[in-house]
Amino acid sequence: EDQVTQSPEALRLQEGESSSLNCSYTVSGLRGLFWYRQDPGKGPEFLFTLYSAGEEKEKERLKATLTKKESFLHITAPKPEDSATYLCAVQGGSSGSARQLTFGSGTQLTVLP
Amino acid sequence: ETGVTQSPTHLIKTRGQQVTLRCSSQSGHNTVSWYQQALGQGPQFIFQYYREEENGRGNFPPRFSGLQFPNYSSELNVNALELDDSALYLCASTLNQQTQYFGPGTRLLVL
Repeated sequence: EDQVTQSPEALRLQEGESSSLNCSYTVSGLRGLFWYRQDPGKGPEFLFTLYSAGEEKEKERLKATLTKKESFLHITAPKPEDSATYLCAVQGGSSGSARQLTFGSGTQLTVLP
Repeated sequence: ETGVTQSPTHLIKTRGQQVTLRCSSQSGHNTVSWYQQALGQGPQFIFQYYREEENGRGNFPPRFSGLQFPNYSSELNVNALELDDSALYLCASTLNQQTQYFGPGTRLLVL
């Protein structure tokens, strides 16, 4: 059974204070690791897909990296508008024909001005 | 903007009732997945439809059922509602089972 654990559960940063969010996973045959951003009461917004260890992707102040056991979402010089819940999900080979996502519980990020 | 829409945005039902939630996918997206998200938790997979056939199901009872239509719309039906069914219901559409793009969700409250 695929499992995803995210830490910390909540993180408060001052504007400009860089940090990283962690996503640890166990999966049978990783097809992809996904990062989403979710604002309160809204659907998850796609950020990145990573497919293999060593892969990195960047978008504005966000950078996602992947190893064989975990992924990190690095946030450089965050702004208050980066405040949201960040969700990590894996798509594994054990799901058969369905490419379902298994999500972690998320990290709630608050960036203070 | 993902092009995925859901209706209604909010819904209040009482225990034992039935509910139908609707999703309209991006044109050409032949796969739709439904997820349940309880407060403070990540989304949990309910089931997936590919070309109008169910091709995967999570740990949800048979009273959760769905349909996918040729016009890229889909439905989630829940019978005999229970209090624990209160959650945000999300649909996600995909082209050929690649990245899943989520709609805004339907907030269901069961009293």
